Amino acid sequence: DAGITQSPRHKVTETGTPVTLRCHQTENHRYMYWYRQDPGHGLRLIHYSYGVKDTDKGEVSDGYSVSRSKTEDFLLTLESATSSQTSVYFCAISPSGGAVGTLFFGEGSRLTVL
Amino acid sequence: QKEVEQNSGPLSVPEGAIASLNCTYSDRGSQSFFWYRQYSGKSPELIMFIYSNGDKEDGRFTAQLNKASQYVSLLIRDSQPSDSATYLCAVKLGLGYDQFYFGTGTSLTVIP
Repeated sequence: DAGITQSPRHKVTETGTPVTLRCHQTENHRYMYWYRQDPGHGLRLIHYSYGVKDTDKGEVSDGYSVSRSKTEDFLLTLESATSSQTSVYFCAISPSGGAVGTLFFGEGSRLTVL
Repeated sequence: QKEVEQNSGPLSVPEGAIASLNCTYSDRGSQSFFWYRQYSGKSPELIMFIYSNGDKEDGRFTAQLNKASQYVSLLIRDSQPSDSATYLCAVKLGLGYDQFYFGTGTSLTVIP
């Protein structure tokens, strides 16, 4: 158990509304990631963080922003949700010890934008 | 564009058989290779990682890496119905905190 909690687990919203997904970790890992998973595309990196207030873009960052004000929380925000952002979103952490550089995933958040 | 290719399947094997899952990658500089298992509606879970050419065994699972051919595979011996899942191959350029590139996954069904 990597100690990662995502919320909400399921959300249905309408086009144009803001949405924030939360990822909470209990083990003080420095690196945290947001991925989306869509059929035919696999897992794609949206944004990642390498410390408090240190974030960077991934390959599919358009339309998303992130914030990390505390080590344990990494927030993903869709400022104005679109139907193309309907997806399953996974938060992940990369541990600093042991299997360095591997990824461990949270349970996922299923977002539907109508 | 760094590509990781997997046969989407579905791959079906009888219980007790060996399941062979394959993955090719485009970036010759890749150094780290991972296999994840994902049950339907669940999150990916790490099965194995491999950095060096050759085989790495962990219980019923064996990862095989051939960097010259840019090929990594996962063998599952004595397949069980509980192994039925989608298997994701992932590749990373370095050994540290580098970006992962995922394949789209191979669906495996083990028939009792």
